[in-house]
Amino acid sequence: QSALTQPASVSGSPGQSITISCTGTSNDVGGYNSVSWYQQHPGKAPKLMIFDVTNRPSGVSYRFSGSKSGNTASLTISWLQTEDEADYYCSSYTSSVTYVFGTGTKVTVL
Amino acid sequence: QLQLQESGPGLAKPSETLSLTCTVSGASITDSNYHWGWIRLPPGKGLEWIANIYYTGITYYSPSLKSRVTISVDTSKSHFSLKVTSVAAADTAVYYCVRYAHGYVDDWGQGTLVTVSS
Repeated sequence: QSALTQPASVSGSPGQSITISCTGTSNDVGGYNSVSWYQQHPGKAPKLMIFDVTNRPSGVSYRFSGSKSGNTASLTISWLQTEDEADYYCSSYTSSVTYVFGTGTKVTVL
Repeated sequence: QLQLQESGPGLAKPSETLSLTCTVSGASITDSNYHWGWIRLPPGKGLEWIANIYYTGITYYSPSLKSRVTISVDTSKSHFSLKVTSVAAADTAVYYCVRYAHGYVDDWGQGTLVTVSS
């Protein structure tokens, strides 16, 4: 199985909104509503930000939202803040009863 | 509060077998709502899912690693383990043990760095 495709980097200024895409196939992203997003700061364990495409865990800011269209899922960060600077990974369940991660996106706050 | 703690050697020699253990505390490893798994982060690269296991022993493996990886669970000790055979430099990574809820990771260990080098 191939990694899901994400842009290598996305940047924005404080207060702006950015969107990170995550493209897979009908065997993963497009076929299931089991897409999740993780934030990882350097040297730290990843943190769940979105699960089941659109759901936010308790304690995650409302500024983070998820969506999906066809084989592409997206994570939008609204009102960008300096602490949002991190690596972001999408993940999906697959038809092979496995999981696959995205290639990762580095978010830079200008 | 769930705690996941990885343990194992931080250094392995090429061609050897790497063994890691994850101790689960603060929650039951036999909770039927969850799977347990391993994910790794090679330096300068992205996250890679390795394997999952259910407390009954049902296993799921990454197709790219399946031939070299074994995941197992010991419910009496509340821990699960990972073995990777014939390691090479490409297996150098931070290894995380995790808990999977229905399709996503809801808790992570702190991670343990494993370096493969002679």
